[in-house]
Amino acid sequence: QQQVKQSPQSLIVQKGGISIINCAYENTAFDYFPWYQQFPGKGPALLIAIRPDVSEKKEGRFTISFNKSAKQFSLHIMDSQPGDSATYFCAASKEAYGNKLVFGAGTILRVKS
Amino acid sequence: ETGVTQTPRHLVMGMTNKKSLKCEQHLGHNAMYWYKQSAKKPLELMFVYNFKEQTENNSVPSRFSPECPNSSHLFLHLHTLQPEDSALYLCASSQDFMQGAANEQFFGPGTRLTVL
Repeated sequence: QQQVKQSPQSLIVQKGGISIINCAYENTAFDYFPWYQQFPGKGPALLIAIRPDVSEKKEGRFTISFNKSAKQFSLHIMDSQPGDSATYFCAASKEAYGNKLVFGAGTILRVKS
Repeated sequence: ETGVTQTPRHLVMGMTNKKSLKCEQHLGHNAMYWYKQSAKKPLELMFVYNFKEQTENNSVPSRFSPECPNSSHLFLHLHTLQPEDSALYLCASSQDFMQGAANEQFFGPGTRLTVL
């Protein structure tokens, strides 16, 4: 019940295309859903996050879509660029229980120029 | 130095060695974390310290021993490790663990550990 399942494991997208990464969770108590971006040789960095009171959050080219009834959320990267090539992790937590994030297994994104 | 730093960046050790990983945060945070990152697996939370007190231990084997002498420094002492312990060990910090997920975790670059 604590797992967050992420797909696909890897993704190749052409420059200018849309990258879509999906995550699913079981624990309905989760109420905070961040996405982290990790470049080679670096630690993960927070990219964008959403709470279940909204169905979508957009920051620049990055959008999180959230479907509470399906217990799914996804990251969309519009106009994907080679500089977006990185590993993306979704995560979830229960805010009332502290900052304990449960991570997905990660998606390796490669944007071809 | 800014953000979260980790030393060494790479470490190779035998199964009988004792070594330590060091993490330092320059963000004025009160919570610090150790994670294990293995290929194609989710990041695994190992330990959490909040205001220098250990608040989480996710059933980590005793061959991993954390130490948090102050809010800015975190160590992971390693002894009698196994080859399956080879992984990237990440340190992170946040303002406060018990304030909930609203406060962002900032990660260091990690230590790549290889156990022979």
